[in-house]
Amino acid sequence: ETGVTQTPRHLVMGMTNKKSLKCEQHLGHNAMYWYKQSAKKPLELMFVYNFKEQTENNSVPSRFSPECPNSSHLFLHLHTLQPEDSALYLCASSPTPGGYYEQYFGPGTRLTVT
Amino acid sequence: SQQGEEDPQALSIQEGENATMNCSYKTSINNLQWYRQNSGRGLVHLILIRSNEREKHSGRLRVTLDTSKKSSSLLITASRAADTASYFCATAGRTQGGSEKLVFGKGTKLTVNP
Repeated sequence: ETGVTQTPRHLVMGMTNKKSLKCEQHLGHNAMYWYKQSAKKPLELMFVYNFKEQTENNSVPSRFSPECPNSSHLFLHLHTLQPEDSALYLCASSPTPGGYYEQYFGPGTRLTVT
Repeated sequence: SQQGEEDPQALSIQEGENATMNCSYKTSINNLQWYRQNSGRGLVHLILIRSNEREKHSGRLRVTLDTSKKSSSLLITASRAADTASYFCATAGRTQGGSEKLVFGKGTKLTVNP
């Protein structure tokens, strides 16, 4: 978890709210990721960014909107979410995209949609 | 599929005993990685073993990789209560589309009883 921070750590939002998750990495990495972790499911890759450019979107619904203003910061904008979107959202970074190097994860944001 | 499957799904042992977790996968890989996750937190990278390596050590951790059997094992020796966590294997390889991806398994939940 060291080197990758996420805020907020916990978030409760209604289905009509708009909120944003923030991730920051202090490791000088070029690649950043958003993952979703739901109970009893494998970690699901949502988005991949390399040098601020989105390189992967794994068929994520448009109610999740990522933003990467620079290679150190990553946001996930949320709007009109569904209860099934409740999960732990994890941000990660690595020197380059893909799996050649290990990924460094933040502590996650526990999201509850009511 | 590239996704690794851990076995067992859950493991409960006494402090001081060794814990062995296994990971099997179906496609060719470039490397295999093991991660630990404490309850509700981010994942922490443990060991990366490349496809041309057979064994790696890090402190009380020993990872083996058998590419002919498409399997890996993680051994934790002299376990401690603090080792209680979920352990995930992740395989890195090329997808059908040509991009490289890191795909996580569902994990093994390890409980070390004092």
